[in-house]
Order: sequence, then structure tokens, then C-alpha cells
Amino acid sequence: QQPVQSPQAVILREGEDAVINCSSSKALYSVHWYRQKHGEAPVFLMILLKGGEQKGHEKISASFNEKKQQSSLYLTASQLSYSGTYFCGTEIVNDYKLSFGAGTTVTVRA
Amino acid sequence: EAGVTQFPSHSVIEKGQTVTLRCDPISGHDNLYWYRRVMGKEIKFLLHFVKESKQDESGMPNNRFLAERTGGTYSTLKVQPAELEDSGVYFCASSPGGNQPQHFGDGTRLSIL
Repeated sequence: QQPVQSPQAVILREGEDAVINCSSSKALYSVHWYRQKHGEAPVFLMILLKGGEQKGHEKISASFNEKKQQSSLYLTASQLSYSGTYFCGTEIVNDYKLSFGAGTTVTVRA
Repeated sequence: EAGVTQFPSHSVIEKGQTVTLRCDPISGHDNLYWYRRVMGKEIKFLLHFVKESKQDESGMPNNRFLAERTGGTYSTLKVQPAELEDSGVYFCASSPGGNQPQHFGDGTRLSIL
């Protein structure tokens, strides 16, 4: 039931772009994206509800393809502060608990 | 606004002992969740409170785990007796309502020796 994230890790130079994908085998009501830095709490980035909407947070945006049960997180013009592990959490219809992917470790270098 | 706070930040106990983890949600958040991340694995759901009621405890691994939320404010998660496989990071999260952003605490790192 856990969603599948890809890639597992990505290394970027400042200013480069990256895409993180999250796929589920079950129909989804929503997708939540978090970023966690080592030893800290996962920090909420954005939530996407079914309907294929796209959201943005600074230069980080995400899309949700309800038909494919997939969400993608786009890191644009990456900054050093974007480094961390990104998790997608998926929510089944009428089921408020989140199922998390294994995470994607992003390293942004100067 | 204070975030979700968890105590202790780190606990080291021996197998067979008892440990109690505490979570203080964001004030006014009726929904409280417990999650666990075992080394190298995904973050997994344990249970969900709405106020003082257990809404969903399908993720609780076994009856050695007991969660309470008396009065609908803070919550405790007790492990008794602790086993080696219980080691991991236990996260608490809270939200104003279902299907709304869940805000996580820093977690409690539990080490069973």
C-alpha cells in the first residue's frame, strides 16, 4: 500500500531542476508532500486533492494525475536549502491516514 | 504558534522495559496521529485520534503498544514490554481536521538494547 517514489536520490548543482515522482496502486484522495532535514521534523510543503490541480511553494511545485494515481514534485532552480529527504504521503478516499513513500534524498551543491 | 512537541527526543532502554512517549499537538488540533519509522523503512501509520477517541488504530503492531489521549489534548504512547524490533523514530502529527495538512513533531528516537 505504500506509494513508490523515484528516484531514490538525486544530486544537483545550484540552479538545476529535478522531478520526484510518487506512484500508488490505489485510488487516491490526496497527496501530501514533505521535506525532512536530518534529525528534524518532516515539514509540510503542499497538499494536492484529486482533480489534477497543480500547486506551488516558492520554486517548488507539484502536480497530481488522478487517473494515473501519480504525483510529481518539481524543484526548479534549486537552492542549497532544498537539500533534504522528500516524502510523499498518500491518502485513500475517506481514509485520513497517510501512507508514505521511502523518500527521495536531494543534495544540492554549490 | 507552537508546533507539535514530542518528549523525550531520545530514549534508550533495555528489552523488556517500559517506555512512554508523549506528544503535545498544536493547540486546537482535534486530529492527532502517531507514525513510526524503523531503520531503513518507510514512515508507517500507527493510529489516529479525533479528540479523545481512537478513529483508526489499524497500524498498531501488537498489544504491547497502548496509546491514550485523555481529555483530547496531549497523547501518550506506551510500549510494554519493549522488544528489539520496536527501535525506530516515533513521530506524532496533528491537524485541524481530516484531509488537512498534518504537522509533524521532531520525533522520539527509541533505541531498545
